[in-house]
Order: sequence, then structure tokens, then C-alpha cells
Amino acid sequence: GAVVSQHPSRVICKSGTSVKIECRSLDFQATTMFWYRQFPKQSLMLMATSNEGSKATYEQGVEKDKFLINHASLTLSTLTVTSAHPEDSSFYICSARTGYSNQPQHFGDGTRLSIL
Amino acid sequence: DQQVKQNSPSLSVQEGRISILNCDYTNSMFDYFLWYKKYPAEGPTFLISISSIKDKNEDGRFTVFLNKSAKHLSLHIVPSQPGDSAVYFCAASANSGAGSYQLTFGKGTKLSVIP
Repeated sequence: GAVVSQHPSRVICKSGTSVKIECRSLDFQATTMFWYRQFPKQSLMLMATSNEGSKATYEQGVEKDKFLINHASLTLSTLTVTSAHPEDSSFYICSARTGYSNQPQHFGDGTRLSIL
Repeated sequence: DQQVKQNSPSLSVQEGRISILNCDYTNSMFDYFLWYKKYPAEGPTFLISISSIKDKNEDGRFTVFLNKSAKHLSLHIVPSQPGDSAVYFCAASANSGAGSYQLTFGKGTKLSVIP
């Protein structure tokens, strides 16, 4: 099946650091990539949708200057958490899909971000 | 307002029996429905999907049923195996309009298959 690789799987860093998370579709071209955040025992909350070559669309309440998304190619999207603070600690997951209708999103394995 | 609801946070089933996970939705624009399986500290794994033009889709031990009039779908796993123990998320999307292809997730149901 379709493979989405997310890196790194875990990050621990000091408050004020910027952290970049990469999401790659390994065996298909991802027209659209999505970034989610999951809080403990909660569902996945969509943060933003990014289409290759265009600006990301952020969900209400998500700060675009805080969470920078770049979707520079059909196989790579990055999420940069700028000047991270402890409240940004969470599980971040990306997904990717092709441009065809009725096709599932395929997810990466997530990144556990811990800000000290 | 929760557009996709999984009202059972947990379910326990004996190995070999059928597991039935339920999901309700409220948005009539949804026309594509998916089930994902998730282990702790991992991303969701796609299991099976169904479009609104169908009422049943089967893949091995997994069958998804869709009742559009009731805005209800269910996932049947038979026979259940201990390796099926995980959290199952129901998700829905609309293939047109604003926010098309975005998934709206339920809160998940934790399935425990008892050997």
C-alpha cells in the first residue's frame, strides 16, 4: 500500500526552539498533504491543508505564523513549529493523498514533540 | 458540533467472534467514508472505505456498511483476532465544495479482542 514517511518520530527540545517536521510520500505523488495534531485520548484535529506549489490553508484557530507549512514538491511537505513553547507539545501527524476522488489519505507515523 | 460521532469509546470482543463498530454522521455533504486503525504513538492505518453510491464494501475480514438515510455506518470484523486490538477511527469527507477531501474524524473506539 501507499507509504508516507514522517521524520523525526520524536523531538525533545528547549522552549524557544524552532522544530521542522518532514512528511514524504514514498511511492505516490501527493497532490494534497494534511497536518494534524492529536491530544491525548482525543481525535485527530486538522491543522492545515497544503497543495503542492500553493500556500497552505489553515483551520480556524491555528496560527499560520506559528506553524509554517511548505509543500515544495509532490512528495514533500514540511511543518515548522516556530519558537516552540511547552503548550505546543503534542503528537503531530501528516497525511497525503493523490488528486483522485474517493482515494484515502495515507498517514505518517507521527512526531511526538516535547518542549521543555 | 461533532459531525462524526463514535458513541462507544470502547468495545471488548472474544477472539473468533464478530466485532461491530458504529459511527454516525450529521453532514449530508459527506459522500466518502473511511475506517482507520491506530496503535499508540503511530499514525492511523487505512483499513477500508466506502463511497455514498454503495451500501456495502468488503475486504477480507472487514466489511463496511453504509445506511445513508440513517446517516450511519458500521465496520464489521469477523472473525476478530487479538491483533485487531487497537483504536478504530471513523472518518468522512466530501468530494466537492469547500474543504473537499478533508477528513473529519470521530473520537475513536478502542477495540480489545480477548484471546
